[in-house]
Amino acid sequence: DTGVSQNPRHKITKRGQNVTFRCDPISEHNRLYWYRQTLGQGPEFLTYFQNEAQLEKSRLLSDRFSAERPKGSFSTLEIQRTEQGDSAMYLCASGNNYEQYFGPGTRLTVT
Amino acid sequence: DAKTTQPNSMESNEEEPVHLPCNHSTISGTDYIHWYRQLPSQGPEYVIHGLTSNVNNRMASLAIAEDRKSSTLILHRATLRDAAVYYCLQGDSNYQLIWGAGTKLIIKP
Repeated sequence: DTGVSQNPRHKITKRGQNVTFRCDPISEHNRLYWYRQTLGQGPEFLTYFQNEAQLEKSRLLSDRFSAERPKGSFSTLEIQRTEQGDSAMYLCASGNNYEQYFGPGTRLTVT
Repeated sequence: DAKTTQPNSMESNEEEPVHLPCNHSTISGTDYIHWYRQLPSQGPEYVIHGLTSNVNNRMASLAIAEDRKSSTLILHRATLRDAAVYYCLQGDSNYQLIWGAGTKLIIKP
C-alpha cells in the first residue's frame, strides 16, 4: 500500500489557463475528499465522493471547479480559467469511516 | 467558520507530556471529535477520534469532557518529530470536517 498519491506535485500556470489534478486514493477506500489549503490556514473542504457519486460540494466552490471520480477509483479536479486567487495547495484524502488519509498535495501557482 | 477553538501555539519540552486543548461548545450529540496533525510541507495526518469515552492509540490519547464541550489531546512523551500544527475538528454525519487554523506545537530540545 503506497498511500494516497497526487499528481503533479507542483503546477505553475498562467492566469486564464485550465489545469487538472489527479488523485489516486488507497484502493479499498470508498470515500474521497478534495480540500484547498492556503498558507497559515487549515484545509478548506471542496467536495466529497462516495464511490463514484459526488455527494457534497462546498457552496464556496466556484463553477470553474469541477471534480470527477469515474468508476469510483481515481479522481480528477479541474480548474477552468484559473485566477491568481486559485493559488494554493490542493489536497486529496480518502477513507472508509471516520479516518481520512491525505496525499502530499498539489501546489498550484497562478502567475 | 471553524466550529472548534484552539490556542494558536504552544511550546513544550522534549520528552515531556503535552496537553493540547480544544473547545467545541456547539457540538451535537452525533458529532465525533477528530484530531489531525500536519508536519511542515506534508498533508495532514490522522491522529485520533472519539465520541464520548476517552480513547487511546499508539500515537496519543484523547480525553473528552463529560459535557463534550471540550477535549484534550495528550502526547505522552513529546519528541522533536511531534512538532506540527494540530487540528481539532468536530465531524458531522457525512464526515465533512471544517478546519480551523489549529495549534502550532513547538518542541524545545
